[in-house]
Amino acid sequence: QVQLQQSGPGLLRPSQTLSLTCVISGDSLSSSNAIWNWVRQSPSRGLEWLGRTYYRSRWYYDYAVSVKSRIVINPDTSKNQFSLQLNSVTPEDTAVYFCARDILLPFDHYYYMDVWGKGTTVTVSS
Amino acid sequence: DIQMTQSPSSLSASVGDRVTITCRASQSISRYLNWFQQIPGEAPKLLIYSASSLQTGVPSRFSGSGSGTDFTLSISSLQPEDFATYYCQQSFLIPRTFGQGTKLEIK
Repeated sequence: QVQLQQSGPGLLRPSQTLSLTCVISGDSLSSSNAIWNWVRQSPSRGLEWLGRTYYRSRWYYDYAVSVKSRIVINPDTSKNQFSLQLNSVTPEDTAVYFCARDILLPFDHYYYMDVWGKGTTVTVSS
Repeated sequence: DIQMTQSPSSLSASVGDRVTITCRASQSISRYLNWFQQIPGEAPKLLIYSASSLQTGVPSRFSGSGSGTDFTLSISSLQPEDFATYYCQQSFLIPRTFGQGTKLEIK
């Protein structure tokens, strides 16, 4: 059974860096059938995909345009985890942050988010 | 980006009712459409993938249909645990985008 365990601080001041970690159990970060995502949710923006990383002979990264200048997703194979770093946060970054696995449907080029972390509430306030 | 629009935004129904939620994509996404259920304080839970495939462990009263730009999620006989918010999501292109949600409330 695949599980994603999130950790990280819940309160930040404006201009600080948000850092969250997602530890994977029951699957491998380097799996050729999986993609690892960060998604956030707020009342004003709804569910918003932030970015992803995956390994296919090398590491690949994709980021949402809205955060592209501030975001880094780092895989750490030694700990089987991946992290989210969001720089220069503002109150608009206040949200619940989720990590999620995209799994590949066998015999089809189709990915869907089947496993999610429990979520981390992050508040940005002075 | 592909815009996903759900209707209605909220819906009141009774236990035992059949309900249908609609999701429309701003461009064709073939069958690259997923449905999630979210209970307050929890992560989204996958119900349907590839427009009509039921995720393992999800009750058969949930069903999905559609292709191209128009999709539906149906619940055949509402149970008390089904009152939640439902989201559609496209996995056709990056960025992944979600609908704004449909809140299903008890009448």
